[in-house]
Amino acid sequence: LAKTTQPISMDSYEGQEVNITCSHNNIATNDYITWYQQFPSQGPRFIIQGYKTKVTNEVASLFIPADRKSSTLSLPRVSLSDTAVYYCLVGGNKLVFGAGTILRVKS
Amino acid sequence: GAVVSQHPSWVICKSGTSVKIECRSLDFQATTMFWYRQFPKQSLMLMATSNEGSKATYEQGVEKDKFLINHASLTLSTLTVTSAHPEDSSFYICSARSLGPSSYEQYFGPGTRLTVT
Repeated sequence: LAKTTQPISMDSYEGQEVNITCSHNNIATNDYITWYQQFPSQGPRFIIQGYKTKVTNEVASLFIPADRKSSTLSLPRVSLSDTAVYYCLVGGNKLVFGAGTILRVKS
Repeated sequence: GAVVSQHPSWVICKSGTSVKIECRSLDFQATTMFWYRQFPKQSLMLMATSNEGSKATYEQGVEKDKFLINHASLTLSTLTVTSAHPEDSSFYICSARSLGPSSYEQYFGPGTRLTVT
């Protein structure tokens, strides 16, 4: 399974755009890239998934360069409620969680 | 759509007893379900992969005789922690993967907090 590397933590302010980059140098051809959000004592919540190029949904965008060795989750105009841990996962059949990125949004 | 539930949401049991945790996909069919464990301030650790109608596949270091997994239908998987000990106290989370074109999307349950006294 491809290993992922993310920043341990990030700080932001309300209304700003936040970009979290994940490195996955040994991603396999069949692997998808998926991002989850987790609040304390809750199960992870699916944010977005992509294979290549750019994917956008109502809450985030996912940018994947042509070599797919990294990906960037973009959260537009964050609010205090976006304070959470964000996980980047790479895989297909099963997902193995890395350490994640603690995002702290301040007012 | 894509809702996964777990029951119970929390449980306290005495050391040596067994506890069963249910994971249900409420509005979709899941051929594969996964069980994770999460200790405080740590990431999720995959315990096992459960396929409907077949034996679960356990990750290295996870005792299959202690953590019994049954996936009897396309909407239900159960995890039984047998002879629980205080070190089994943790947050147990299941996920389910749906059939269909977005079959790599996994949806997670809300988790079950197990405390063994």
